[in-house]
Amino acid sequence: DIVMTQSPDSLAVSLGERATISCKSSQSVLYNSNNKNYLAWYQQKPGQPPKLLFYWASTRESGVPDRFSGSGSGTDFTLTISSLQAEDVAVYYCQQYDSTPYTFGQGTKLEIK
Amino acid sequence: QVQLQESGPGLVKPSETLSLTCTVSGDSISRYYWSWIRQPPGKGLEWIGYSYNTGSTRYNPSLRSRVTISMDPSKNQFSLKLSSVTAADTAVYYCARVSDQHGFDYWGQGTLLTVSS
Repeated sequence: DIVMTQSPDSLAVSLGERATISCKSSQSVLYNSNNKNYLAWYQQKPGQPPKLLFYWASTRESGVPDRFSGSGSGTDFTLTISSLQAEDVAVYYCQQYDSTPYTFGQGTKLEIK
Repeated sequence: QVQLQESGPGLVKPSETLSLTCTVSGDSISRYYWSWIRQPPGKGLEWIGYSYNTGSTRYNPSLRSRVTISMDPSKNQFSLKLSSVTAADTAVYYCARVSDQHGFDYWGQGTLLTVSS
């Protein structure tokens, strides 16, 4: 199984400041034949299902604000919120879909400082 | 717009079999892969498995011996059965559409399944 490890577990950032979440996979999720990273990011607010933010590590899902960005390749990935808004308070998960069993990171809880 | 809705009993006794159904609207389940994911209260996400219309299934090895995912194209539904449940199976169960391009792109609202006598 590919183990996904996020850091930090929780993060408090002031409104308008940058938030950065890291995700590392125990093996590469880069598919060499198409040069795509099979890595997704999700946002989960209390009482709601996860919402897809990014796929292929950096492709923004339709409707996701451009203050969110995804980057990285191979085994190291980052989710960045450039200017934190109150509505961004949530738990964020990374997930690999390179191979089954599909696996998620443990989640990072983002709060307002 | 693709929508998914889980339905199930809410409460199951230990050692019994959990049965949940996901009804899909706005898309045919004959396309894509369809998956179940669960989340114990206050914890993270665990992929249970997926099914495809050819009857192809893939399960998480941690649950494989107890899980069956099946599809009913005539009702545009797919189902989860988990046998020999224990308190550790208490969780919110989500159904989701899975794409090998996008990951899990559409989710149901989730249904809480409690295992208790």
